[in-house]
Amino acid sequence: KNQVEQSPQSLIILEGKNCTLQCNYTVSPFSNLRWYKQDTGRGPVSLTIMTFSENTKSNGRYTATLDADTKQSSLHITASQLSDSASYICVVSATGTASKLTFGTGTRLQVTL
Amino acid sequence: NAGVMQNPRHLVRRRGQEARLRCSPMKGHSHVYWYRQLPEEGLKFMVYLQKENIIDESGMPKERFSAEFPKEGPSILRIQQVVRGDSAAYFCASSFLTGGDTEAFFGQGTRLTVV
Repeated sequence: KNQVEQSPQSLIILEGKNCTLQCNYTVSPFSNLRWYKQDTGRGPVSLTIMTFSENTKSNGRYTATLDADTKQSSLHITASQLSDSASYICVVSATGTASKLTFGTGTRLQVTL
Repeated sequence: NAGVMQNPRHLVRRRGQEARLRCSPMKGHSHVYWYRQLPEEGLKFMVYLQKENIIDESGMPKERFSAEFPKEGPSILRIQQVVRGDSAAYFCASSFLTGGDTEAFFGQGTRLTVV
């Protein structure tokens, strides 16, 4: 059964600090892994997408890593801002149609003053 | 180019009524996906449609739920005889192509509350 697990479930950090979110998956056959940001009451917005051959990808202050051998990914947020407060969802796609996405339950990040 | 538009944003229905959720994909997108998000849970795939065709409905409950994507107009997710357990956020996404590496763009969701 395809599964995506994320940790921690929730996280509180001070503005300006860095943090790292984790994602472990058991999805086969693997196609790609995405990180989404979901603000409260909004739809998910894509941050990064990585295929099997990519180890790291950055989008501004967000850097995602992928280890396809251990089936782990991380999302590192640098110099956090209050606007980073959101849920961060790891989504893994199996080969096939774009409907074959397995969503993690997300890490709820709160950035405080 | 407007994003994926969902309406209504919030919908309240009494038990036994019907709920109709609408999704207008991004311009040029012919692939539409519906997901359900229960409170404190991740998004779960329900159905994938192309214009006038249901491609994959493996995540759709067998009874009371149906979806369509007509040649003209938005995609509709229809829930008949709603029950309290149907209360959730329903998200629609659309894409230009299909394939595992295709970018799918999400709408803002419809929050259904069954009272």
